[in-house]
Amino acid sequence: QVQLVQSGSELKKPGASVKVSCKASGYTFTSYAMNWVRQAPGQGLEWMGWINTNTGNPTYAQGFTGRFVFSLDTSVSTAYLQISSLKAEDTAVYYCARREDFDAFDIWGQGTMVTVSS
Amino acid sequence: QSALTQPASVSGSPGQSITISCTGTSSDVGSYNLVSWYQQHPGKAPKLMIYEGSKRPSGVSNRFSGSKSGNTASLTISGLQAEDEADYYCCSYAGSSTFLYVFGTGTKVTVL
Repeated sequence: QVQLVQSGSELKKPGASVKVSCKASGYTFTSYAMNWVRQAPGQGLEWMGWINTNTGNPTYAQGFTGRFVFSLDTSVSTAYLQISSLKAEDTAVYYCARREDFDAFDIWGQGTMVTVSS
Repeated sequence: QSALTQPASVSGSPGQSITISCTGTSSDVGSYNLVSWYQQHPGKAPKLMIYEGSKRPSGVSNRFSGSKSGNTASLTISGLQAEDEADYYCCSYAGSSTFLYVFGTGTKVTVL
C-alpha cells in the first residue's frame, strides 16, 4: 500500500544536527512533490516547504531558510530533512507529506519527534 | 503570512451537526478553491478529509462536507460520532513561493 515511513525519534543537544528520513513505497516516488510540516508540542501544523522529487529543487517557507535542508535519494525513494545548529525551539514532530496534484497532502508519514535539550 | 483563523474548540452531542470555520484573506482562501481539511487524533499523523474545498477522498465518510464563501471556508460534520473527536486543521494554497500553503490554527472537536 501507499505509505511514507519516517525514521525514529531523536534526542539532540543544542548546536548539533539531525537528519530525518522519509521512505516512500507503493507509488512512483518521482511523480509527487514531497512536503515537510512541523508541529511543535501542543501547537498547530506549520508548512516548512517542499522538494521537487524530479529535479531535487527545494523550496523553503519563510522561517525555514538557512538551517533547514531538504534532499532526496531517488534510488531508494527517500526524502530527507536535515536541521543544523539545533535550538530548543526546534523541538517538534516533523512530518513528511505527499502532495497531490489537487494541492492537498494525501499521504503523511507517521512523524518524527525531534527533541533538543541539554 | 499569518495562519488561517479557526475557532479553538467546537463541541456537539452525538448525532448533531457542527461546523468549523476557517477564515483567511483574499490572498489565500478567497483567491483559490484549494482549501483542504485534515483530521488529527492525539499522537497520530493528520488525515486528509476534504480537498479542493468540497471534495472527499475515497474512504472518507460522506458525513464530512466542505464549502467556501468569500474568504471563509467551512467544514461540516453531520451525524457526529464519538470517533470524530479530534483536532481539525484547514489549509489553503496561498500562491507565494515562500508561503505556498498556510494552515489554520486548528480546532478541537469534542463529542459531548
